[in-house]
Amino acid sequence: AQKVTQAQTEISVVEKEDVTLDCVYETRDTTYYLFWYKQPPSGELVFLIRRNSFDEQNEISGRYSWNFQKSTSSFNFTITASQVVDSAVYFCALRDFGNEKLTFGTGTRLTIIP
Amino acid sequence: DSGVTQTPKHLITATGQRVTLRCSPRSGDLSVYWYQQSLDQGLQFLIQYYNGEERAKGNILERFSAQQFPDLHSELNLSSLELGDSALYFCASSAPGGSSYNEQFFGPGTRLTVL
Repeated sequence: AQKVTQAQTEISVVEKEDVTLDCVYETRDTTYYLFWYKQPPSGELVFLIRRNSFDEQNEISGRYSWNFQKSTSSFNFTITASQVVDSAVYFCALRDFGNEKLTFGTGTRLTIIP
Repeated sequence: DSGVTQTPKHLITATGQRVTLRCSPRSGDLSVYWYQQSLDQGLQFLIQYYNGEERAKGNILERFSAQQFPDLHSELNLSSLELGDSALYFCASSAPGGSSYNEQFFGPGTRLTVL
């Protein structure tokens, strides 16, 4: 069965600090896809990144970076030099190959203090 | 803006009533997904349609049903509403072909309040 665990319920950091959001997943499939979504206070879900299980290369996009480690079943998300606009709830999600539904974690509420 | 539209944005109704939520996918997308976000259950997959046909079913109650029309818009019907049905309902769509690696783009959601 698929499962995504985001152990950090809430995180608060001061602006310009770096912050890492943890995501641990469980799946029996060898091919799967991992995602991060952002839900700002306005409520919509914004797609951030997709990572395929066969591609363990880490990715950087501006101040955002993602660390995928198959050995520990983790897909962590780091925001460098955080800004107030980064305040949101962040969800990690998993999708097995051939199964199109997304299984979401419970989310991490990130608050950036100015 | 993801390109997925949902109406209405807010809906307030009473227990026992029936409501219809509407979703229009991004242009060209064939798959539509419905998710429910509630405080106690989190974000949960309800159902998926692909080009008019039901493709996958999640934890969708029997009181809930959905369909996808020839123009690819979808409707989620919720009946015999209970207080616990109060939630944010999201629609998402993904690129044609149904390839499982394609990301899903979410609409702004419909906030349903059952009083």
